[in-house]
Parts: sequence; C-alpha cells; structure tokens
Amino acid sequence: EVQLVESGGGLVQPGGSLRLSCAASGFTFTSLWMHWVRQGPGKGLVWVSRINSDGSSTSHADFVKGRFTISRDNAKNTLYLQMNSLRVEDTAVYYCARGGGYAYGGLDPWGQGTLVTVSS
Amino acid sequence: QSALTQPPSASGSPGQSVTISCTGTSSDVGGYNYVSWYQQHPGKAPKLVIYEVNKRPSGVPDRFSGSKSGNTASLTVSGLQAEDEADYYCSSYAGTNNVFGTGTKVTVL
Repeated sequence: EVQLVESGGGLVQPGGSLRLSCAASGFTFTSLWMHWVRQGPGKGLVWVSRINSDGSSTSHADFVKGRFTISRDNAKNTLYLQMNSLRVEDTAVYYCARGGGYAYGGLDPWGQGTLVTVSS
Repeated sequence: QSALTQPPSASGSPGQSVTISCTGTSSDVGGYNYVSWYQQHPGKAPKLVIYEVNKRPSGVPDRFSGSKSGNTASLTVSGLQAEDEADYYCSSYAGTNNVFGTGTKVTVL
C-alpha cells in the first residue's frame, strides 16, 4: 500500500523554525518527484515546493523563497521541508504528495497532513 | 504566481451534471496540457480525480471528465451522487512552479 506520513508540525513563535518530515512507503521513492502543498485554516490549497527524484532540482513558491527548503533522503525514503523565519501567515496544514516521473505529474496520493501553527 | 480562478460554488441534483471552470493564463493552463483536478472532502486529504487535462487515475469513476480550451480547463461530474459533494481544486504546471485554483464547493441538492 502506498503511504505518506507527515510529522514535525506544531506550535512555533513568529521568526522560529520547524522541519517537517514525510515518510514514504509502498512505492519506489527514488524514482518520483515529490511536492509540499499547504492549506490555511478554511482556505484553499497552495503549492509550496517540489523536488526531483535525486534531489538535484528544486522549486519553491515565491512566498517561501529564501525561507523554506525542500530536500529528500532517498536512503531513508523521507522528504523534508525546512521552514525558517516563520510568519503568522504560514499557519496551515502541510501535505506532502507524490508526483510522477516528471515535474508536471498529478499528485497522488497525499499524506494526512501535519498542522503548523505560528503564533506568539 | 496568481491562483487559477474557479467559481466559488456549483450545485446540481442527483443524476444531473455539473461543470467547474478553471481559468489561468498562457503561462500555466494555456501553455501546458498538465492540468489536474482534486476532490477534497471536509477534514480529509485531497484526492486526484483527473490528470493531464483528461486522464482518470485507476479507481476514479468515468463520471469524472476533464477538458481544456485555451486558458480555461473544465471538470465535469456527470450523474451526480451524494458522495460527490466536496471541494474541487484545479492545478496546473507552470514551468518553474505549480499553481492551484481557488477551489469550488460542489453541493448535491
């Protein structure tokens, strides 16, 4: 069974840092693009970042550039999102999702999400 | 990186069809045949229902179909069922990034 399990969310003060993890199983993690998508409370889905199969190519949404970094450890079948200089507006459920063999593939499946709350 | 534009809501009676539009630009929807659609029930993770404009993943009923014309993509749900009541989001590849739509709440009357 293909499974993605996020962890690492929690309450953090503005300006703080968090590292999210996404443990993948049930498929060949090393062959596929991976993405992070977030959803603010009562809001819509917003794409955050993507990374290619070997980690050599990454892309981030403009609103997180310079603050968030996506990475992966293929030996551990794990995707990461390092989030620095967090802002109140970064409060959201963060989902990891499996892409395809290319950057443009549909995202399937998604993890259950991990909640990040940025508040003083 | 502006969000793709979707109508906030759509509705239909059981058995009827509903079509949701997704309008972008030539830099995203119009520039690539890589539009996806996602269904999200309250409190749940999104689920892929259409990819590459009109392809259905295994297990998605053929009541779901997608199309594209110019800068606008569309999702049609035919033969509406109670379980189709959910939020629907489009998404497009846009070269250096990906972008989602604003979301549409579909209500089954």
